[in-house]
Amino acid sequence: NAGVMQNPRHLVRRRGQEARLRCSPMKGHSHVYWYRQLPEEGLKFMVYLQKENIIDESGMPKERFSAEFPKEGPSILRIQQVVRGDSAAYFCASSPLTSDPNTGELFFGEGSRLTVL
Amino acid sequence: AQSVSQHNHHVILSEAASLELGCNYSYGGTVNLFWYVQYPGQHLQLLLKYFSGDPLVKGIKGFEAEFIKSKFSFNLRKPSVQWSDTAEYFCAVNADTGGFKTIFGAGTRLFVKA
Repeated sequence: NAGVMQNPRHLVRRRGQEARLRCSPMKGHSHVYWYRQLPEEGLKFMVYLQKENIIDESGMPKERFSAEFPKEGPSILRIQQVVRGDSAAYFCASSPLTSDPNTGELFFGEGSRLTVL
Repeated sequence: AQSVSQHNHHVILSEAASLELGCNYSYGGTVNLFWYVQYPGQHLQLLLKYFSGDPLVKGIKGFEAEFIKSKFSFNLRKPSVQWSDTAEYFCAVNADTGGFKTIFGAGTRLFVKA
């Protein structure tokens, strides 16, 4: 089975452009989580989604950031009008439908590294 | 708000040395606790977890962790490390409040000298 797939692995954008990061969860998984990792910091929770629903977006910046997980296709994290401070590694994780989101294991992708020039 | 503190950002050990990585969290209620590991060039993967029962948890590759509720701690241990244990280790907490955020510590980079 393929693991959690993220693309692109590396993305370079100029200030003001848009960044789109994609995440395909493991087969059979319907929970998706996005985390951001800044240098020398831990993973910061951003958003938790199920198919067509945002369950918890308490970690998402109020502006410029949005996430979706459509019925078909990958989950997308979108950052509009990027700034240098958005440069980070963005990790996606997934877990099965039957998994308790509080106790279940998260399965991580390899991350997408965004660099804003 | 929940938070997780890992005491050391970088640890260097020789093979066969014993390992203990500290992890403390701040939340007074019921918690679920995890250690994840990221080997060089690989994705994060679960090492072990605790959510109830015996506070001494055994994980893969000879790792174990002990939940001490009174100290809000969940330290990771291994009696004898190997060169292949070189990796970054993340402690994580999910407070069983009905929310769904797993909060991660800043990570500890372990380098084991052969």
